[in-house]
Amino acid sequence: QKEVEQNSGPLSVPEGAIASLNCTYSDRGSQSFFWYRQYSGKSPELIMSIYSNGDKEDGRFTAQLNKASQYVSLLIRDSQPSDSATYLCAVTGQAGTALIFGKGTTLSVSS
Amino acid sequence: ETGVTQTPRHLVMGMTNKKSLKCEQHLGHNAMYWYKQSAKKPLELMFVYNFKEQTENNSVPSRFSPECPNSSHLFLHLHTLQPEDSALYLCASSQEWVDTQYFGPGTRLTVL
Repeated sequence: QKEVEQNSGPLSVPEGAIASLNCTYSDRGSQSFFWYRQYSGKSPELIMSIYSNGDKEDGRFTAQLNKASQYVSLLIRDSQPSDSATYLCAVTGQAGTALIFGKGTTLSVSS
Repeated sequence: ETGVTQTPRHLVMGMTNKKSLKCEQHLGHNAMYWYKQSAKKPLELMFVYNFKEQTENNSVPSRFSPECPNSSHLFLHLHTLQPEDSALYLCASSQEWVDTQYFGPGTRLTVL
């Protein structure tokens, strides 16, 4: 059973701080990695995708991938109350399997 | 209209009813998906359609019946559901079936 693990949280950070969200996956052959944000009562929306080892930055968001450690993370700099949401990590397996989602980490940014 | 749309947005049904959920994508994608999201559980993939052909069925009970008449439309037919089937049902689409998925707003289903 391929798995994607996330700490459910809640992760609480003050406004302006860096929020660090972590995800591990079990399928060593996984090729594609995604972070989605889901506000309460809403559907998931894509924040970042990453495919190769290293860092990928987009505005206040940085995704980090380490395939050797089977670990992917999302850093949110200068956290805002509007960042308060559940963040879902999703991973595709090798040979073109569909996305597997983690349970999500709930982030709370206090003003 | 753009993106992925779903109707209805909310549905309340009895266990003996038959209803259908509809999803439409305006992105020109080739793959469409049905997910179930229950409280405190991860997103559960139910069905995958790639170029109108069902490629994945994750042991979903037969009371859920998908239909994909073309690459832009996806239906989920519901009959004799159970209260534990109450959840948010999400439709998604992607260009190819391992690409980034874009989600619709979901249908909040309550089974009485």
